[in-house]
Amino acid sequence: DQQVKQNSPSLSVQEGRISILNCDYTNSMFDYFLWYKKYPAEGPTFLISISSIKDKNEDGRFTVFLNKSAKHLSLHIVPSQPGDSAVYFCAARNYGGSQGNLIFGKGTKLSVKP
Amino acid sequence: DVKVTQSSRYLVKRTGEKVFLECVQDMDHENMFWYRQDPGLGLRLIYFSYDVKMKEKGDIPEGYSVSREKKERFSLILESASTNQTSMYLCASMRSLPYEQYFGPGTRLTVT
Repeated sequence: DQQVKQNSPSLSVQEGRISILNCDYTNSMFDYFLWYKKYPAEGPTFLISISSIKDKNEDGRFTVFLNKSAKHLSLHIVPSQPGDSAVYFCAARNYGGSQGNLIFGKGTKLSVKP
Repeated sequence: DVKVTQSSRYLVKRTGEKVFLECVQDMDHENMFWYRQDPGLGLRLIYFSYDVKMKEKGDIPEGYSVSREKKERFSLILESASTNQTSMYLCASMRSLPYEQYFGPGTRLTVT
C-alpha cells in the first residue's frame, strides 16, 4: 500500500510559468516532508523540506505547502526554468518508524519548455 | 559539503555472480541507506544502517545483504546476481535533523 503518492507521473510547463507538483499521503504519523530533485544518471538532491507543524516553507523560487487535514502537500516553482526539468520525488518521515527512514513517492517528471 | 561516493557508476555482471557495491560518506553520519530506483516505481529502500555493525531491512531486502564495518562505509552485496536486479542503486547518508538524506551519484547495474 502506497503511503506517499504522486499521482502525476509527468508535468509539462512553459518557461516562466508556475510549476505545481502534488503529493498525497495516508499516514498521519508522518512528521516531516521533503522534496528531492533528480537528474538522469545522478543521485537525488535535497530541495526543500517542511515540518508537520508548519503549513508553508519558502526558499527562493521554491515553496512547499502542507495541508494536514487533506494529507496533501505541494511544491510550487515560480518562475519555472528549463534547468528545473527533472524528476521530483516527495518523501515523508514516519515519526513512529525507524529513525531517518524516509518513504518516497514514485516521482513526477517535470519538463519546462523554453 | 557532504560527499557520498559510490565505487562504480556503471557495472555489468553475469547472472549468478556475487556483486559488491560500496558507498563511502565523509560527514560522520550515523545513518546510511541503500535504495534501488526503477522506472515507475520510484525509490525503494533495500537496507539501512543506523550505526556500525547495525542493519535493518527495508522494503525489498530479498536477494541482498549489507555490511557496515566502519561508520563511513556501507556495502551492498548481491549474493547471486539475477536479471531482475538490473537497476540503478543509490546510496544515501543522513544527519538527524532535518532528516535530509544526501545521495551518491548512483551505480547503474546491468545483470546479463
